[in-house]
This record gives sequence, structure tokens and C-alpha cells, in this order.
Amino acid sequence: GAVVSQHPSWVICKSGTSVKIECRSLDFQATTMFWYRQFPKQSLMLMATSNEGSKATYEQGVEKDKFLINHASLTLSTLTVTSAHPEDSSFYICSARDSRGGETEQYFGPGTRLTVT
Amino acid sequence: GQNIDQPTEMTATEGAIVQINCTYQTSGFNGLFWYQQHAGEAPTFLSYNVLDGLEEKGRFSSFLSRSKGYSYLLLKELQMKDSASYLCAVMDSNYQLIWGAGTKLIIKP
Repeated sequence: GAVVSQHPSWVICKSGTSVKIECRSLDFQATTMFWYRQFPKQSLMLMATSNEGSKATYEQGVEKDKFLINHASLTLSTLTVTSAHPEDSSFYICSARDSRGGETEQYFGPGTRLTVT
Repeated sequence: GQNIDQPTEMTATEGAIVQINCTYQTSGFNGLFWYQQHAGEAPTFLSYNVLDGLEEKGRFSSFLSRSKGYSYLLLKELQMKDSASYLCAVMDSNYQLIWGAGTKLIIKP
């Protein structure tokens, strides 16, 4: 099956610093990648959708200048949380899909737990 | 607006059967997914239904009725490891996943 990896799996950073999270599709080409955030005991919240080579489309209420998304290749997308604050502490999950040929299933990465102190 | 409804929490006994319901109202429909999510982990894919009817996969089955905007996930021979949250998600006309809030399933011995 398709595999998606995320790095790091967890990170602790100080308030005001920036953190970069990588999402890689290991055995398929991800034309579309999704970034989610999940707070404890809540469902997944889509933050943004990115298509390879294009600017990401952000969901309403998500600050594009704070959550920088880059999808420069068919196997890698990065999410950078800039000037992190404690309220940004959350579980960040990426998923990837090869949208060519009508593929509908999204494959999830294992998630990155961010703690901002 | 778009809406996915599923129960917040359910409790069942080891070895029993449990049915988790999901109702939806979305702009367009390109299939319904069920995911399992253990605490602190990412969701894992369980099933995908795009046509009406029952899809069986081992101990897990998923049913869809598009006319009723309704699906259920049926778990048989429950095991303690099935304790998790079960997420219902519908792919809308833009091929975006609309997520339910999830059903926390508690399995008791």
C-alpha cells in the first residue's frame, strides 16, 4: 500500500520560533497533499490543500502567512509554523493523494505532535 | 451547509457486535470513507463506499444508502484493540473530504 511519512514525529519549540514539518510520499507521486490539525478529542480540521507546483489553498480562518506550505515536488510537502505560540500546540497530520486518474483515497502520514512552550 | 453526524461515544462488550451510524448532507457526493484513529495516532483507512450496499472486509463491514444520506460501520467479534475513534468522511463534489467529529468506541471486557 501507499506510504506517507512525516518528520519529525514530535517537536518541542519555544514561543516565537519557527518549526518545519515534512511530509513525504514514499512509493507514489502525490499530486495533492492535505494538511490537517487536530486538537485533543476533536476531529481533523483541514488547514490547506496543496497541488504540486501551485500555491496552497487555505481554509477559512487559517493564516497563510503563519502556516507556510510548500509543495515543490511530487513527493514532498512542507508546513512551516512561523512565530509559533502555545496555542499552535497540536497534532499536525498530512495526507497525500495521486489525483491523476481519478484516485480518491488519501493516505495519511503518522502525524507530528507540536508543543510550543 | 455541509454536515456529517455521528454519535460522540459508544460502549460495547468484547466479542459483541457494534454498529456506528453516520448521516451526511454535502454538496455533491464522491464516496464515503471510514477511518479508525487510535489516540495519539493518525487515522488509518478502513473502507470506502461509493455505491449503495454493503461492503464486507473481515470483521468490519460498511453500508451506504445514498438516497438516505446514511452509512454505518459494523464491527463484529469486537476485540479490546478496537477501542478507538471511528471517523466518517464524505468526499464532496470538489473531491474534498468533509469529516465527521468521530465516534469514540469503548470496548469493555
